[in-house]
Amino acid sequence: DVKVTQSSRYLVKRTGEKVFLECVQDMDHENMFWYRQDPGLGLRLIYFSYDVKMKEKGDIPEGYSVSREKKERFSLILESASTNQTSMYLCASSLRQDSLYGYTFGSGTRLTVV
Amino acid sequence: DQQVKQNSPSLSVQEGRISILNCDYTNSMFDYFLWYKKYPAEGPTFLISISSIKDKNEDGRFTVFLNKSAKHLSLHIVPSQPGDSAVYFCAASAYSGAGSYQLTFGKGTKLSVIP
Repeated sequence: DVKVTQSSRYLVKRTGEKVFLECVQDMDHENMFWYRQDPGLGLRLIYFSYDVKMKEKGDIPEGYSVSREKKERFSLILESASTNQTSMYLCASSLRQDSLYGYTFGSGTRLTVV
Repeated sequence: DQQVKQNSPSLSVQEGRISILNCDYTNSMFDYFLWYKKYPAEGPTFLISISSIKDKNEDGRFTVFLNKSAKHLSLHIVPSQPGDSAVYFCAASAYSGAGSYQLTFGKGTKLSVIP
């Protein structure tokens, strides 16, 4: 069964810490995405990548960066965690040409910044 | 500017009845529309999709209807079951350059099916 795996289900970090969220997919998908989900705000795109070493800003990139050194791995980095970055973070991947089935999502990482 | 809108944050339906979830969009360049279902503490999972050249797609208890002139789509669940209780996201796909498609999501509708 194909999957997108996020390394942690729950994380608690302190304000000011550097936080790494890891995502790995085993479907040889070209595209990978990071979203955050907050009540009443839906899914908001942080960053995405269409290829190795390539990255594009989404709708809310401030306070975040990403790294994609290998096709299967896409990392989200919180340079200096703040309490307003407490959220559910979702990684997704997709085939370049695939519209009909959209994205495959990971199970999410619930991050709490204290 | 929200290109995909789900105007109802929540919906409650009795078990066995029909659930109708609505979605409106503004971008006429969208070529596919998708519905995702999300349980708490899990990632969204793909439910059903429809091409912009069709007006209906059915998969078991789930049917999606598309009205292009009104820029409106809806998801019908018949009959509704308690296990359908989840947040449903409407999404629309458009070509975004670099040979790829990108989804734009609505804010979601929380469906509660009451036994």
